[in-house]
Amino acid sequence: QVTLKESGPGMLQPSKTLSLTCSFSGFSLSTSGMVVSWIRQPSGKSLEWLAAIDWDGDKYYNPSLKSRLTVSKDTSNTQVFLKITSVDIADTATYYCARSRSSYIYGWFAYWGQGTLVTVSS
Amino acid sequence: DIQMTQSPSFLSASVGDRVTINCKASQNINKYLDWYQQKLGEAPKLLIYNTNSLHTGIPSRFSGSGSGTDFTLTISSLQPEDVATYFCLQHNSGWTFGGGTKLELK
Repeated sequence: QVTLKESGPGMLQPSKTLSLTCSFSGFSLSTSGMVVSWIRQPSGKSLEWLAAIDWDGDKYYNPSLKSRLTVSKDTSNTQVFLKITSVDIADTATYYCARSRSSYIYGWFAYWGQGTLVTVSS
Repeated sequence: DIQMTQSPSFLSASVGDRVTINCKASQNINKYLDWYQQKLGEAPKLLIYNTNSLHTGIPSRFSGSGSGTDFTLTISSLQPEDVATYFCLQHNSGWTFGGGTKLELK
């Protein structure tokens, strides 16, 4: 059974660095074709794909946010991390991690975590 | 970057109605278009992938069609449990979501 779960600080101040963790089970990120992505959703708004890391350790970023994002994974391939630097109020959102699997990197998201709400406020 | 324009933004329909939601890509995305359903307070759930493939466990009243730049999600007979917001997603080049369609019961 594939499960993903996000964790984060809940609240942080503007200009700080947001650190998020996606802990997953039921699959190995070292398996060919596996990709874990980060996606966010401000309350009442649409979804925005942020970043992804694949089975080979290659990383992909949303061009509009690339300079502020860093995605990584742990050596045991059971966690994926996202850091967002210099946060502001516009980064307030629910952050999801999701898994795709594809022979050409970009696949559909069959599995999602429950999301973690991050509020940026002074 | 590929932009996804979804319409309508809001839809009100009655139980039993046939409902269609559209997504238009700013460039050719081949067949790489998915549809997701999101109920209030929940994570999105995959309904259809690669234009017309029904995900495991999804009722057959949901179907998808289209190609290239224009895609449609159809609910053949709306049920009360279908009240949700629906999103399209292109994954031909990167990933881009549509703006969403909020579906309510009339």
